Amino acid sequence: SQQGEEDPQALSIQEGENATMNCSYKTSINNLQWYRQNSGRGLVHLILIRSNEREKHSGRLRVTLDTSKKSSSLLITASRAADTASYFCANTNAGKSTFGDGTTLTVKP
Amino acid sequence: DTAVSQTPKYLVTQMGNDKSIKCEQNLGHDTMYWYKQDSKKFLKIMFSYNNKELIINETVPNRFSPKSPDKAHLNLHINSLELGDSAVYFCASSQDPPGLAGDEQYFGPGTRLTVT
Repeated sequence: SQQGEEDPQALSIQEGENATMNCSYKTSINNLQWYRQNSGRGLVHLILIRSNEREKHSGRLRVTLDTSKKSSSLLITASRAADTASYFCANTNAGKSTFGDGTTLTVKP
Repeated sequence: DTAVSQTPKYLVTQMGNDKSIKCEQNLGHDTMYWYKQDSKKFLKIMFSYNNKELIINETVPNRFSPKSPDKAHLNLHINSLELGDSAVYFCASSQDPPGLAGDEQYFGPGTRLTVT
């Protein structure tokens, strides 16, 4: 089955810095979604961007989508220690969502 | 509270046993899912139901059998448990199936299954 890929696999930054995570996928998509997973918890939906959109904002989150490169990026601005979590992208195609491996973000206070 | 809930949260059992994990959502969603997250955090879809009908059935051993008694419930029964079944199993729901307007998925807290 197809699988998205996030990079980097792990990212460590200081509080207040920006964090950028990238996601690549292999098929055409209907939409792409980003999720956060805190350690030992379920996934929380962050933001959805549709295939005809290029950029979307939600609070400190900014997501871009480049369908020609089959890639998306998630930018978290002014990071906080509470942003420490794993972040997953999920691309949706043919009625199925495929999750990537995730990026583990550590924000140091 | 509106949520996706799973029981049990932790499940420790021996190889060969049969166990069930229950999932309930009170969000009024039509679509429910089961995912398996392995030790490397890779999340893989197992099954999806829409209005009690199976719409996604990935390559999963037939020891795994989902059951949806109604739209709000999707249970997962596992027969003859094996060591490799140890993982965290997540239930999720969405208003619409993937690819449609309301397909944001809401996840339950997960069930950590340990097979010894």
